[in-house]
Amino acid sequence: GAVVSQHPSRVICKSGTSVKIECRSLDFQATTMFWYRQFPKQSLMLMATSNEGSKATYEQGVEKDKFLINHASLTLSTLTVTSAHPEDSSFYICSASWRYEQFFGPGTRLTVL
Amino acid sequence: GEDVEQSLFLSVREGDSSVINCTYTDSSSTYLYWYKQEPGAGLQLLTYIFSNMDMKQDQRLTVLLNKKDKHLSLRIADTQTGDSAIYFCAETLSNSGNTPLVFGKGTRLSVIA
Repeated sequence: GAVVSQHPSRVICKSGTSVKIECRSLDFQATTMFWYRQFPKQSLMLMATSNEGSKATYEQGVEKDKFLINHASLTLSTLTVTSAHPEDSSFYICSASWRYEQFFGPGTRLTVL
Repeated sequence: GEDVEQSLFLSVREGDSSVINCTYTDSSSTYLYWYKQEPGAGLQLLTYIFSNMDMKQDQRLTVLLNKKDKHLSLRIADTQTGDSAIYFCAETLSNSGNTPLVFGKGTRLSVIA
């Protein structure tokens, strides 16, 4: 099946710094990728829809200036958490669409101290 | 709006069958999915069913769809300790693959040896 990777898998940073998370589709091209956030013991909440070559569509309540999304190619989308704060600590998961399925990355655990 | 509901916990003995239930509100749902998430990991697609199907079986997994009641279930036969995880039900309104999934809160399955 299709494989989606994320990098890094785990990151710890200081408050105020920015962190970039990469999402790659390894063996297929994805015109659309999605970014989700998961709090402990909770479901996945959609943050934004990322379309190659165009601006991301953010869900209500998600700050676009804080969570910068770039989808520069058909195999790579990046999420940058700018000026991170402890409340941004979470599990971030991306997914990439191929045909009628969505394939999920393994997730990135962000801890902001 | 779309809403997906699941019971939060299920505990079964090893060797028994597990049945995880899900209800959804949007009758326009096209594809319904079951994902498995192990601790600290991303989501693994287990199976999916198209809305014009009533049942789908794949080895130990059986998915039943009652479209009239908007009820979806996942049956795991001969449940093993390795099946312990969180199971998410999800729906999408489009089969293009470019529509985000709407997830339930997940059912935590505990398998007792």
